Amino acid sequence: AQTVTQSQPEMSVQEAETVTLSCTYDTSESDYYLFWYKQPPSRQMILVIRQEAYKQQNATENRFSVNFQKAAKSFSLKISDSQLGDAAMYFCAYRRDQGGSEKLVFGKGTKLTVNP
Amino acid sequence: DAGVIQSPRHEVTEMGQEVTLRCKPISGHNSLFWYRQTMMRGLELLIYFNNNVPIDDSGMPEDRFSAKMPNASFSTLKIQPSEPRDSAVYFCASSFGLAGAADTQYFGPGTRLTVL
Repeated sequence: AQTVTQSQPEMSVQEAETVTLSCTYDTSESDYYLFWYKQPPSRQMILVIRQEAYKQQNATENRFSVNFQKAAKSFSLKISDSQLGDAAMYFCAYRRDQGGSEKLVFGKGTKLTVNP
Repeated sequence: DAGVIQSPRHEVTEMGQEVTLRCKPISGHNSLFWYRQTMMRGLELLIYFNNNVPIDDSGMPEDRFSAKMPNASFSTLKIQPSEPRDSAVYFCASSFGLAGAADTQYFGPGTRLTVL
């Protein structure tokens, strides 16, 4: 079974600085998708960024980018120019590609605090 | 677009009572997911439907839990009888259900259930 590990329960960053959140996963499959979701205090889960495993190029969405290392099974999220609104729980998630399964497997999350 | 709609937002009930959580997916989406979030276990998939048919219910804890999707615009998750350990936030999510694609799951605001 696939597992997703986020080794940092909590992280903090100064406003306008850069922070990197770590995520590793365990799978024997070669094709899959990886996601980062944000959960602010409102509880709403919001997709931040996604990566297809077959793509070597790292995904980028404005101030958010990932460092995808397929061989190392690592998928970290970098937030540049951190803003107060970035404070939230961040969840890394995995979805297999074979078999048509849509099941998302989530890590336990990292709580990000942004200090003014 | 109204997004995924869940009701109620909060539910407090006593042990042994029946609880019904409701979800309306985004119009046009073919897949619907029920997740449970707790501090101990994180975010875990309970069941998901595609075209109103249950595809994967391996995450349903036990016979006390049941889920239905009578039509494309409505789903229920029922717990009978409820127990204190069922206290959690229950999320509903929906997606287009595109096989083989990095389909995005859109989450509702969640229902916070407290069983006394």
